[in-house]
Amino acid sequence: GEDVEQSLFLSVREGDSSVINCTYTDSSSTYLYWYKQEPGAGLQLLTYIFSNMDMKQDQRLTVLLNKKDKHLSLRIADTQTGDSAIYFCAESPDDSWGKLQFGAGTQVVVTP
Amino acid sequence: DTAVSQTPKYLVTQMGNDKSIKCEQNLGHDTMYWYKQDSKKFLKIMFSYNNKELIINETVPNRFSPKSPDKAHLNLHINSLELGDSAVYFCASSQGQNYGYTFGSGTRLTVV
Repeated sequence: GEDVEQSLFLSVREGDSSVINCTYTDSSSTYLYWYKQEPGAGLQLLTYIFSNMDMKQDQRLTVLLNKKDKHLSLRIADTQTGDSAIYFCAESPDDSWGKLQFGAGTQVVVTP
Repeated sequence: DTAVSQTPKYLVTQMGNDKSIKCEQNLGHDTMYWYKQDSKKFLKIMFSYNNKELIINETVPNRFSPKSPDKAHLNLHINSLELGDSAVYFCASSQGQNYGYTFGSGTRLTVV
């Protein structure tokens, strides 16, 4: 997605924390999302954050939102081999009829 | 199981043929979508229907025609297939604009 940018690759050791970063452009987006795609599968909604929040925690996942800089991050604590996947950031501008604008995805590889 | 299901999962066909991909959701969602994921994993919206009515029609060739017989189904018909149509096509559904999507597992289309 030309409006949502992510780094393409992240390698992390099992047990360490992973941080995936994303920048978006449309400040009207009420919600911002993180999706996970495992090989050969569809996208699975991991978590989302409402735009008036700075942080959301859900078990091993922590989402941070800096609305001023239009920066979103996903932290995965205690990364496991099952976390190896592509992670997509997405925004949904208010006037977009629910259309999600995706980033290009970050390939996370977890090594033992 | 409550889900978004697409058929077929794999489709290999020759250039110039016409093919259809079917999608059904039993989640009671009002809105359904078709997304195309290219070989670089980039996801782009093609169409969206809300209660059988077309609400998003991105710049997609006329050879692609969606059809929604009821709000639980959104099918995609492609005429005169071209090599560049090879991709993974994902169907998704959502309830409301800001609640994220539930994705199907994808249809890998290969045009030879």
